[in-house]
Amino acid sequence: GAGVSQTPSNKVTEKGKYVELRCDPISGHTALYWYRQSLGQGPEFLIYFQGTGAADDSGLPNDRFFAVRPEGSVSTLKIQRTERGDSAVYLCASSPSGLRPVGELFFGEGSRLTVL
Amino acid sequence: LAKTTQPISMDSYEGQEVNITCSHNNIATNDYITWYQQFPSQGPRFIIQGYKTKVTNEVASLFIPADRKSSTLSLPRVSLSDTAVYYCLVGDRGGADGLTFGKGTHLIIQP
Repeated sequence: GAGVSQTPSNKVTEKGKYVELRCDPISGHTALYWYRQSLGQGPEFLIYFQGTGAADDSGLPNDRFFAVRPEGSVSTLKIQRTERGDSAVYLCASSPSGLRPVGELFFGEGSRLTVL
Repeated sequence: LAKTTQPISMDSYEGQEVNITCSHNNIATNDYITWYQQFPSQGPRFIIQGYKTKVTNEVASLFIPADRKSSTLSLPRVSLSDTAVYYCLVGDRGGADGLTFGKGTHLIIQP
């Protein structure tokens, strides 16, 4: 399909391991967003890219979290030394541009991360 | 300070009109109001966006009073499949100061 694709859909890992989550946005969308959602909560903003650069990474909880978007398309969220508290659904969204006002965000179905 | 306040949950019945109100007392001049719907195990889905007065599309209407300190999402003739969490967002840009989600309203539609 032509929607936002996230892989893997499910990831189970052990505490202390390294994890990468991938997001393929809708073709041509220049803005890309990562959110994290815990059970019973709304999505929590992590980072927002405009093209290849991170326009706002203030939502990343600590330096174990890092995200890249080297060619302005696919993005990878990287989590080092995972902790049990990192367990959540990681959502990616894209939009045609980051220009104001931001219109519709198109979300993927998320990557569910479980840290044992 | 939360940007928006919504009821935690609401119940209604099939065929009824449902109105979900969101308070955003500190809305800025440039902010738009956007509503999303989320089903379990899925990402949020855009419903509607507006700046003032009334906006209508094929699935919902959005009513915004002149002071813009609140907004009401109206779902006409709901069905069981409208059971979901509905989020009200206020902002005009991405990022931490932009489109942030609260806890949303869990709408439950009964037969």
